[in-house]
Amino acid sequence: GQQVMQIPQYQHVQEGEDFTTYCNSSTTLSNIQWYKQRPGGHPVFLIQLVKSGEVKKQKRLTFQFGEAKKNSSLHITATQTTDVGTYFCAASGGSNYKLTFGKGTLLTVNP
Amino acid sequence: EPEVTQTPSHQVTQMGQEVILRCVPISNHLYFYWYRQILGQKVEFLVSFYNNEISEKSEIFDDQFSVERPDGSNFTLKIRSTKLEDSAMYFCASSSSGANVLTFGAGSRLTVL
Repeated sequence: GQQVMQIPQYQHVQEGEDFTTYCNSSTTLSNIQWYKQRPGGHPVFLIQLVKSGEVKKQKRLTFQFGEAKKNSSLHITATQTTDVGTYFCAASGGSNYKLTFGKGTLLTVNP
Repeated sequence: EPEVTQTPSHQVTQMGQEVILRCVPISNHLYFYWYRQILGQKVEFLVSFYNNEISEKSEIFDDQFSVERPDGSNFTLKIRSTKLEDSAMYFCASSSSGANVLTFGAGSRLTVL
């Protein structure tokens, strides 16, 4: 089945520092999605990337899909304590019925 | 904003007992999913349901598990004989367009003693 590898597993930053998490696949992805899970919460959809080389921004968050559609990244500029949580990438591998999540990156922010 | 609702929020059960977790997906969604998350670990796919039948399931979803859509609104996950290792958070999710933009419920925490 579709597998996506995500690094790092954990990242601790000082408030105001930047943060990046990376997602990689050995196969070409039809699309990639990003979700955020706050501590004790549930995954919440952030964005979907479909096109090769696509870059999308949401305020301080920048999402990128690689040219080969095998990797993606999420970059947060100037982290805030509200950014704390686990960020997951997820891919369907072409299936309309199964979305596979990466292991996630747990971000903690020191105020 | 439409949401996926799950009940119960927490269930404690004895090993070997049957458990039913309930979900009400978003009303105009057609694709339904169950995921589980063992504490601190990844979100694992269990099963997807479309057009009144299972469309895909993982190796975790063995004969102890079943899903049902008994009426037009509820979507249930049954575990027939719970094991200690079934202790996890179970998330229901739904979508309008296949495995895209899933909306998750708040989860049901299952504790098996």
